[in-house]
Amino acid sequence: GDSVTQMEGPVTLSEEAFLTINCTYTATGYPSLFWYVQYPGEGLQLLLKATKADDKGSNKGFEATYRKETTSFHLEKGSVQVSDSAVYFCALSDSYNTDKLIFGTGTRLQVFP
Amino acid sequence: SAVISQKPSRDICQRGTSLTIQCQVDSQVTMMFWYRQQPGQSLTLIATANQGSEATYESGFVIDKFPISRPNLTFSTLTVSNMSPEDSSIYLCSVRPTGTGNTIYFGEGSWLTVV
Repeated sequence: GDSVTQMEGPVTLSEEAFLTINCTYTATGYPSLFWYVQYPGEGLQLLLKATKADDKGSNKGFEATYRKETTSFHLEKGSVQVSDSAVYFCALSDSYNTDKLIFGTGTRLQVFP
Repeated sequence: SAVISQKPSRDICQRGTSLTIQCQVDSQVTMMFWYRQQPGQSLTLIATANQGSEATYESGFVIDKFPISRPNLTFSTLTVSNMSPEDSSIYLCSVRPTGTGNTIYFGEGSWLTVV
């Protein structure tokens, strides 16, 4: 079945460091890919998405490119801030059942001043 | 997008009791979903709430334990029945608004602790 694999956390960075959180997927067909963020004590927020190969999703300085050849959707940010500290979830919805999201296990990011 | 409100936001529940979580959306949506996030874990889809018909449950979840109502296109409830400590989780309502393609939005969640 479809699945999403994320790098384990926590990822600990100093402010202004470069961030990469790896995400790879297994899916039939042509899935859509998402990054969601969960700030402490809050629910899930959509961060960015990409719906087809080579699409780049971006928001709030974060970017991720849909790479079909490597089945990846790595999240990057050039300069993290303390306020980016949160749990980041990679997710997919496959082309046959767009109603169901399959999530990775989440990666906790901790940014220190 | 959509504004999704859940109640309660947090609760502490006694073992063996049941609790109903409400989800209200600011626009009419065809599809509403309920997810569970157990402590330190990822999200798992419980069921899809269909207006006018019974909910569709994922493997491992049953109607007797998680009855769902969907009386109209803006509202749904999830009941967690006969709770045990293993039911301590965040329960999240989510929707896929018309016109957003396949993007699913989430409420802030209902954080339940069973003691």
